[in-house]
Amino acid sequence: GAVVSQHPSWVICKSGTSVKIECRSLDFQATTMFWYRQFPKQSLMLMATSNEGSKATYEQGVEKDKFLINHASLTLSTLTVTSAHPEDSSFYICSARVGHGYTFGSGTRLTVV
Amino acid sequence: AQSVAQPEDQVNVAEGNPLTVKCTYSVSGNPYLFWYVQYPNRGLQFLLKYITGDNLVKGSYGFEAEFNKSQTSFHLKKPSALVSDSALYFCAASNQAGTALIFGKGTTLSVSS
Repeated sequence: GAVVSQHPSWVICKSGTSVKIECRSLDFQATTMFWYRQFPKQSLMLMATSNEGSKATYEQGVEKDKFLINHASLTLSTLTVTSAHPEDSSFYICSARVGHGYTFGSGTRLTVV
Repeated sequence: AQSVAQPEDQVNVAEGNPLTVKCTYSVSGNPYLFWYVQYPNRGLQFLLKYITGDNLVKGSYGFEAEFNKSQTSFHLKKPSALVSDSALYFCAASNQAGTALIFGKGTTLSVSS
């Protein structure tokens, strides 16, 4: 089946640094990638939708300059958290639509100290 | 605006008893409906989906769900709960336009032995 590989699984970084999260579609072409953020024991909140070769569409309230999304190829989408702060600590998950369904990455636990 | 509601934060059930996790939706057009399960610090595992066809959908691990258009509901059920079913369950929906999934807030299922 369609698999999205997400890396890293977890990362700890210092305040002020940037972190890049990668999602690769391993056996299909992901023209669209969705990025979600999840706080502990809460729902998945859609952050942005990225389409290959074009600018991402961000949801209201999401800072596009802080959460940089790049979708330069049909198999790779990246989320970069710039100048990270402790409040950015969260679980980030990517997802791609495949046929009538969706496939999800395994998630990235980001901790900013 | 599209939305998914899971009215229960937590459902408690004894092992061997039937379980129901409730979900209602508000989606324009014909809905695509999904159930996912999440274990701590893990990504989402697909359980089942309704796209079209029979209202009763059977999925993974013995779970099933019934699509009820008049009540705009898609409740998740299992005839006999297992302790290992204890996890966080999400209902999600999208329309046919290929948009991102909208998630409910999640329901924690606790199965006691």
